[in-house]
Amino acid sequence: GAVVSQHPSWVICKSGTSVKIECRSLDFQATTMFWYRQFPKQSLMLMATSNEGSKATYEQGVEKDKFLINHASLTLSTLTVTSAHPEDSSFYICSAPKTNTEAFFGQGTRLTVV
Amino acid sequence: GESVGLHLPTLSVQEGDNSIINCAYSNSASDYFIWYKQESGKGPQFIIDIRSNMDKRQGQRVTVLLNKTVKHLSLQIAATQPGDSAVYFCAEKGSGYSTLTFGKGTMLLVSP
Repeated sequence: GAVVSQHPSWVICKSGTSVKIECRSLDFQATTMFWYRQFPKQSLMLMATSNEGSKATYEQGVEKDKFLINHASLTLSTLTVTSAHPEDSSFYICSAPKTNTEAFFGQGTRLTVV
Repeated sequence: GESVGLHLPTLSVQEGDNSIINCAYSNSASDYFIWYKQESGKGPQFIIDIRSNMDKRQGQRVTVLLNKTVKHLSLQIAATQPGDSAVYFCAEKGSGYSTLTFGKGTMLLVSP
């Protein structure tokens, strides 16, 4: 079946530094990918929609300058958390739709900012 | 039994029991509904889906029921196993490449 690979699976960084998370569709092309954030014991909240060749669409309340999204190719989207702070610590998950009804999720990235 | 925790409701069952996880969705215009299973520290995994023109769909050990009148979705797991322990989310979406909206989730705990 289709696979979406997310890397890294976990990262610890110092406050003030930036962290890049990659999301790749391994056996299909994705013009759109989605980035979610999940706090412990809570549901997935959509942060932004990554669009290949154009600007990402951010959900209300998500700072676009804080969470930089680049969809450079049909198989790769990256999320960069800039100037990370402890409150940015969370589980970040990407998803790529293969068809109108099939969406595959990455393994998630546990970000801890110390 | 079922209890409501700080954020996630929890359903505790014994191995071999049938489990029913419920979800209320918000958008009457949603066209497509999916159940996902999420194990700790991992991304969601697809379990089963159903379109809005159906009211029941069965898979292997799982059944999804859709009641559009009351905007309610349920996931039934037959003969629940310890490996079924996870958080289960329902999700809804419109037609086309519209975004998924996730429900709050239910934690299923299966005791041997």
